[in-house]
Amino acid sequence: QVQLQESGPGLVKPSETLSLTCTVSGGSISSSYWSWIRQSPGRGLEWIGCIYYTGRTEYNPSLKSRVTLSVDTSENQFSLNLSSVTAADTAVYYCARRVYDGTTSRFDSWGQGTLVTVSS
Amino acid sequence: DIQVTQSPSSLSASVGDRVTITCRTSQNIAYHLNWFRLKPGKAPQLLIYAASILQSGVPSRFSGSGSGTDFTLTISSLQPEDFATYYCQQSYSVSPITFGQGTRLEIK
Repeated sequence: QVQLQESGPGLVKPSETLSLTCTVSGGSISSSYWSWIRQSPGRGLEWIGCIYYTGRTEYNPSLKSRVTLSVDTSENQFSLNLSSVTAADTAVYYCARRVYDGTTSRFDSWGQGTLVTVSS
Repeated sequence: DIQVTQSPSSLSASVGDRVTITCRTSQNIAYHLNWFRLKPGKAPQLLIYAASILQSGVPSRFSGSGSGTDFTLTISSLQPEDFATYYCQQSYSVSPITFGQGTRLEIK
């Protein structure tokens, strides 16, 4: 049973870069796509992007100019950098595994989420 | 973007009730629709994928149906742990992947 755990600062200043890491245990990161999803206060879920272990990425066009995803297969981790943050980026950030079975895909394992607040 | 419209936004029900949540997409997505349950402080849980396939380990009181643009999640007999927020998500297009607005299920 794969498990995911987010880590990183809970408070980021406006205009700075939000950086989070997701550690994968109970399975290898060298398969599936690995994803970031966020939930802002009072709003729904928003998909940020996915990365494959090879480094191939898919980004939400609405955030693409500010997002960088990376993967470290030696540490079984993947990371999110979101630049030039504003209060609108305050959210619970989740990491998740997206599996594809040849016909359809789904997020089948998630971390518990970490709250990141953007404030000076 | 494929828009996903979920209803209702909130719902009050009692333990043992049968409840239904619906999602409608802005274009035909065949069966590429997934359902999740979110509870504060816990990892979100995949309930149903490909519109109607029950994820391993999920109780059989959960079921999904639909295809094309209209989809339904049904909980046949609510349990205390089911009071949470539910989301649908389309997986037909990854540019971008989109979710419904969520349904908050509360105890009556």
